[in-house]
Amino acid sequence: AQTVTQSQPEMSVQEAETVTLSCTYDTSESDYYLFWYKQPPSRQMILVIRQEAYKQQNATENRFSVNFQKAAKSFSLKISDSQLGDAAMYFCAYRTTYNDMRFGAGTRLTVKP
Amino acid sequence: GAVVSQHPSRVICKSGTSVKIECRSLDFQATTMFWYRQFPKQSLMLMATSNEGSKATYEQGVEKDKFLINHASLTLSTLTVTSAHPEDSSFYICSASRTGEQYFGPGTRLTVT
Repeated sequence: AQTVTQSQPEMSVQEAETVTLSCTYDTSESDYYLFWYKQPPSRQMILVIRQEAYKQQNATENRFSVNFQKAAKSFSLKISDSQLGDAAMYFCAYRTTYNDMRFGAGTRLTVKP
Repeated sequence: GAVVSQHPSRVICKSGTSVKIECRSLDFQATTMFWYRQFPKQSLMLMATSNEGSKATYEQGVEKDKFLINHASLTLSTLTVTSAHPEDSSFYICSASRTGEQYFGPGTRLTVT
């Protein structure tokens, strides 16, 4: 079974600085998708970025980028130029071949002004 | 595009009663919808996968007789919590799948008194 591990329950970053959130996963599949979701206090899940396992190039979306290490089964999220609005819970997720999602435990990010 | 709604957003019910939560894909057809449960300060746990016109597939440990799922059309799935008890109080989130991508509803907070 696929498992997703986020080892940082909480992280803190100064506004305008850079922070990296860690995620590792376990799978025997060769083709899959990985995601980072943001969940603000409203509880609405917001897609931050996605990575297709067959693509070697790391995905980037504006200030958000990932470091995807397929052999190490690692998928970290880097947030550059952190903003107050980035404060939220961040979940790493793996999409199985059946299209359902497996989520990590989450990392609560605090942004200090 | 790809908007998913849930109704109600909040519901309070008495122990022993049943409550229905609706999940709708507003601007696309979804052959597959997913139901998640999220306890406070915890991650999303997949409860079941709902396929239009067929029986839902439940995750291990989820009581299918307690959490009735109906996916009667390509835009609507419902979750009915039967004979609710206080331990069923939680945040329930649905998602709808389109071309493999999942789009999340805003969630429903259920409180059983």
